[in-house]
Amino acid sequence: AQSVTQPDIHITVSEGASLELRCNYSYGATPYLFWYVQSPGQGLQLLLKYFSGDTLVQGIKGFEAEFKRSQSSFNLRKPSVHWSDAAEYFCAVGFNNAGNMLTFGGGTRLMVKP
Amino acid sequence: EPEVTQTPSHQVTQMGQEVILRCVPISNHLYFYWYRQILGQKVEFLVSFYNNEISEKSEIFDDQFSVERPDGSNFTLKIRSTKLEDSAMYFCASSEVRGQVYEQYFGPGTRLTVT
Repeated sequence: AQSVTQPDIHITVSEGASLELRCNYSYGATPYLFWYVQSPGQGLQLLLKYFSGDTLVQGIKGFEAEFKRSQSSFNLRKPSVHWSDAAEYFCAVGFNNAGNMLTFGGGTRLMVKP
Repeated sequence: EPEVTQTPSHQVTQMGQEVILRCVPISNHLYFYWYRQILGQKVEFLVSFYNNEISEKSEIFDDQFSVERPDGSNFTLKIRSTKLEDSAMYFCASSEVRGQVYEQYFGPGTRLTVT
């Protein structure tokens, strides 16, 4: 069965510093990859997605992610973090031969120091 | 910008009671979903729904759960006899495309508390 791992439960960065949130998945089929962000009391907002093509994808709010098939990874990056980026971030994966369900990672809670 | 809406935002119920969680998907979307997130745990898939029938369901989605699209706009999740372990945040989502994984847009969630 497919699984998604976000190794970092909590990350704290200083405002203006760069950020990388890790995501690894396990399954053999072609993945469809997503990052969602959840602010307190809010729903899940789609940040970016990868279906095919260029492995570096750009999303909203200045985020980008890179798909590395050899490492089964889809890490989220941002060059300069803003205080408003503090939230929980979820990686999610779907597979072409597994219907439309998404499998989520456990989430990474990002805290931003002033 | 169109969005998925869910009501109520918070529902408190007693064990054994029936609850209905309501969702209004984005209007031109054809595929609908329910996910749940128990506090401190992962977001888990429950069920997907297309063309007025269940397309897929997880092991969590047992006989206590049902889904319905009672009219052209609402999509509901019913839990017949709630248990303490049903306490969770329930997210509705919708997507435009069928046949492969596609962008799923999530609502703000309903927090269900079973006492």
